[in-house]
Amino acid sequence: EAQVTQNPRYLITVTGKKLTVTCSQNMNHEYMSWYRQDPGLGLRQIYYSMNVEVTDKGDVPEGYKVSRKEKRNFPLILESPSPNQTSLYFCASSLTGTGGTYEQYFGPGTRLTVT
Amino acid sequence: QKEVEQNSGPLSVPEGAIASLNCTYSDRGSQSFFWYRQYSGKSPELIMFIYSNGDKEDGRFTAQLNKASQYVSLLIRDSQPSDSATYLCAVHSGGGADGLTFGKGTHLIIQP
Repeated sequence: EAQVTQNPRYLITVTGKKLTVTCSQNMNHEYMSWYRQDPGLGLRQIYYSMNVEVTDKGDVPEGYKVSRKEKRNFPLILESPSPNQTSLYFCASSLTGTGGTYEQYFGPGTRLTVT
Repeated sequence: QKEVEQNSGPLSVPEGAIASLNCTYSDRGSQSFFWYRQYSGKSPELIMFIYSNGDKEDGRFTAQLNKASQYVSLLIRDSQPSDSATYLCAVHSGGGADGLTFGKGTHLIIQP
């Protein structure tokens, strides 16, 4: 089954404790992206990756890191989480390229609470 | 700054009627347009995409695109209570490095 998976689905942590949210897709997609979704603010892009070892900042990258060592995986790293990073996080993937359809497929989401 | 605007709603529609959801976008160079449905606390689910001016139909859903007016809409015929959700409009400008720009969504309520 074609899918994007994220782990963990729910996480409660404390300020400053480093954490990683994993994302994996089995569709051989080049493009992967992380979003956060907050009430009234919609989906905002954190980081994206066009392919292995190619990453770039989205609209709200502060406080986050990513890596893309393998095509299927795109982990999101919070080195020192703060309460304002409490949010619902989504990973997404899509094909890219000239004439590509660019429709993105989303993972199930990770609800993060930082106290 | 690329912007995608949607009326936040809620938009209340009687069961069986047509629900009409609208979206405008600022980047005239946008090439691909998507509608996602999102239930509360769940991930966005792609339901329609459209690239060319005109209408595209898929079951009870019809997407309409007017690039001259920078306007895209989604019609849901024979609305069902299960259609109650937030509908996100997303736009892609065609450049490979750009992701999707999302609107904030319209909350649709189908009244039984």
